[in-house]
Amino acid sequence: SQQGEEDPQALSIQEGENATMNCSYKTSINNLQWYRQNSGRGLVHLILIRSNEREKHSGRLRVTLDTSKKSSSLLITASRAADTASYFCATPGGTSYGKLTFGQGTILTVHP
Amino acid sequence: EPEVTQTPSHQVTQMGQEVILRCVPISNHLYFYWYRQILGQKVEFLVSFYNNEISEKSEIFDDQFSVERPDGSNFTLKIRSTKLEDSAMYFCASSEALGLNNEQFFGPGTRLTVL
Repeated sequence: SQQGEEDPQALSIQEGENATMNCSYKTSINNLQWYRQNSGRGLVHLILIRSNEREKHSGRLRVTLDTSKKSSSLLITASRAADTASYFCATPGGTSYGKLTFGQGTILTVHP
Repeated sequence: EPEVTQTPSHQVTQMGQEVILRCVPISNHLYFYWYRQILGQKVEFLVSFYNNEISEKSEIFDDQFSVERPDGSNFTLKIRSTKLEDSAMYFCASSEALGLNNEQFFGPGTRLTVL
């Protein structure tokens, strides 16, 4: 399996609902990052959570990290149509920890 | 807010031609990266660059690829002889640090189409 696998692959919700996306990874990490990508556009950095943190908040985003289960979740509360995008988790690795390995992503659709 | 910029936004080229993709990283960042995303696939790491040399590269980054920081602001990716399978979105990224604080900030990408 690949490092950084998200589930579900696709999520469709109504505006105002919460959206939860999960990410699993294989190797030890020192941080995990979540990114958003609008269709055909660049990657927007959302949040970084360090391996010694269990939860982190940023606005309507809440990220958790469970290093014992090698998993992370991204919760978007009170979703908006503008949240429609693909969401990726990414973990650093490689010889210098500069290489980010991305998952396949979760496609989130928020219906107005 | 500082951001990574990339030019051009779209590049169409013939197979076998050389292309140069340009990036201007965030000014106080020291680490630079190139990634690519083939349509419908994952974002893949190509290369990282620090202190004017390659820190790490993936198996994708073969002899046809090179990177350069020709001046204090630009960071370029050159593909010497493009192939059809090089068609992808190419993202440049930069970060202030490695390790625990390795937040990488991405540019908007260059869509490369090889005909």
